[in-house]
Amino acid sequence: DAGITQSPRHKVTETGTPVTLRCHQTENHRYMYWYRQDPGHGLRLIHYSYGVKDTDKGEVSDGYSVSRSKTEDFLLTLESATSSQTSVYFCAISELRGPEPQHFGDGTRLSIL
Amino acid sequence: DQQVKQNSPSLSVQEGRISILNCDYTNSMFDYFLWYKKYPAEGPTFLISISSIKDKNEDGRFTVFLNKSAKHLSLHIVPSQPGDSAVYFCAASDAGNTGKLIFGQGTTLQVKP
Repeated sequence: DAGITQSPRHKVTETGTPVTLRCHQTENHRYMYWYRQDPGHGLRLIHYSYGVKDTDKGEVSDGYSVSRSKTEDFLLTLESATSSQTSVYFCAISELRGPEPQHFGDGTRLSIL
Repeated sequence: DQQVKQNSPSLSVQEGRISILNCDYTNSMFDYFLWYKKYPAEGPTFLISISSIKDKNEDGRFTVFLNKSAKHLSLHIVPSQPGDSAVYFCAASDAGNTGKLIFGQGTTLQVKP
């Protein structure tokens, strides 16, 4: 199994508060991704990183920011959480841009009340 | 505009029989396709992939078929086992360009003993 750790695994917070989710990998892979999973939508890409300090937007990036200061860590921040951001968040990694599979962490379940 | 669609939300089959999961896509630039399996409270696990230069790829009980003219792929599981009960996601990528994965909505497979 790919060495990917997401923290926290569960979080409940209130609307308007900042939230940061962490993804930590031990594989030294260049590419890291944040997805959200919602019923009826599958997984949708929020942001991704192609190296330290190199990030780009995915299809649902509004309301989210990311940072990658080290190869092994990719942080997802909700500056001011809203109820529409209640979701399960998955981090993924890959060694190459493609074609190769991305490997996923076990997710963070985030509830915003 | 959903570029990757799994039109069957659920599928139920008897143990030992064949399971066929379907996926359609609209973007002719997609050149790499994957299937993931997901159990509750876990991240998606890579199952099998296929490049657009092939029309079939096999790995044990799992076979993926690609019909480029119809923009359709399918996953066959033979024989199906109760442990195969999970949510299955297909994903597509323009691996030669951005490498980003676009996921379908998922199909829940139940294999009955």
